[in-house]
Amino acid sequence: GAGVSQSPSNKVTEKGKDVELRCDPISGHTALYWYRQSLGQGLEFLIYFQGNSAPDKSGLPSDRFSAERTGGSVSTLTIQRTQQEDSAVYLCASSLHPSGASTDTQYFGPGTRLTVL
Amino acid sequence: AQSVSQHNHHVILSEAASLELGCNYSYGGTVNLFWYVQYPGQHLQLLLKYFSGDPLVKGIKGFEAEFIKSKFSFNLRKPSVQWSDTAEYFCALYKGADKLIFGTGTRLQVFP
Repeated sequence: GAGVSQSPSNKVTEKGKDVELRCDPISGHTALYWYRQSLGQGLEFLIYFQGNSAPDKSGLPSDRFSAERTGGSVSTLTIQRTQQEDSAVYLCASSLHPSGASTDTQYFGPGTRLTVL
Repeated sequence: AQSVSQHNHHVILSEAASLELGCNYSYGGTVNLFWYVQYPGQHLQLLLKYFSGDPLVKGIKGFEAEFIKSKFSFNLRKPSVQWSDTAEYFCALYKGADKLIFGTGTRLQVFP
């Protein structure tokens, strides 16, 4: 595929359950980003990967949130013991490499809408 | 800390009206600035970006933005909007090898 893909597109879960969200970046993109879009709050940075390592985890809201990336490609964002305030659209983006060149443009996926009941 | 402010939260226009959406940022260093658009039911797409050079940047669909360093602004403009421009618009700041810092977005509604 030409773009960033995310799955599932929608996830409804009960409070206290764990969820895993998946992101497939554009092939060849080394940088991968997770954001959260909450109603009325815009987009909030969560975590950034360069290859398989995450030099910036500063945006993760609590230790219930974790993310990994394997093989420099697919990434999963895991939320443990979900809470109602975790309800949001979780967006993934990728870029060729974060070097400050024109290729820094981040390309976004369609997002996963998470609803915690 | 770096931040991006979009003061217009909701803008309503008639077709053919001119558009200007405000974006101000706070950061003293070199900045890369972006406008993204999210059409209803679609994902975020890049409208235009500024990295260096000419401060007047032209993007897709007739949009342009002007980087005014002295005002810390990067306002988005379009001389004549169309109904299909109805969307949410996000200004973003990119500070080197790091994340995008987004504004809270401006919802634009264009009526025929």
